Amino acid sequence: DAGVTQSPTHLIKTRGQHVTLRCSPISGHKSVSWYQQVLGQGPQFIFQYYEKEERGRGNFPDRFSARQFPNYSSELNVNALLLGDSALYLCASSQHLEQGQQFFGPGTRLTVL
Amino acid sequence: LAKTTQPISMDSYEGQEVNITCSHNNIATNDYITWYQQFPSQGPRFIIQGYKTKVTNEVASLFIPADRKSSTLSLPRVSLSDTAVYYCLVGLPDDYKLSFGAGTTVTVRA
Repeated sequence: DAGVTQSPTHLIKTRGQHVTLRCSPISGHKSVSWYQQVLGQGPQFIFQYYEKEERGRGNFPDRFSARQFPNYSSELNVNALLLGDSALYLCASSQHLEQGQQFFGPGTRLTVL
Repeated sequence: LAKTTQPISMDSYEGQEVNITCSHNNIATNDYITWYQQFPSQGPRFIIQGYKTKVTNEVASLFIPADRKSSTLSLPRVSLSDTAVYYCLVGLPDDYKLSFGAGTTVTVRA
């Protein structure tokens, strides 16, 4: 079975632009979570979606939004990009709502210039 | 969320056992302890999860004392490929706001 996939792998944007990151969970997994990992730090929780509904949101501004589609794939959108948004964005899926055993994708490396 | 404290880094040699202790003095009654491993430029990988006493799988063992205020991840006979960052997380199984701390960077040398 394929693992969690994310696209694109790398992305370069300039300040003020908008970005959309995509994630496909493991087949059969209904929960998708998004994390931001700044260099040298651990992943920080942004969103969790379960059965297409937002079930949790971390301490991130409204410039960050996400959605989950009927096939359980997900998009993370970030508007009005700032230099500080440069990070590795990780998507994780789990079969159920419980997050104890999540499966992470390889991430999307976003660089904001 | 229970706050966790781990050593910033640890060095070891191939074939040795590595033990990483995580302190979580404010752990709640229903909290579980979960460990993840992360290699550079990759997403974290689930290692092990436990509630009390000892849990063992093919990769590691997790030791949790009776008071549950700390836990120890044990990696037996490490190899160079075990060089990674190891994260300890504490929370409810359905706590969907778990964020990772800085983790412990384990460096295994030949």
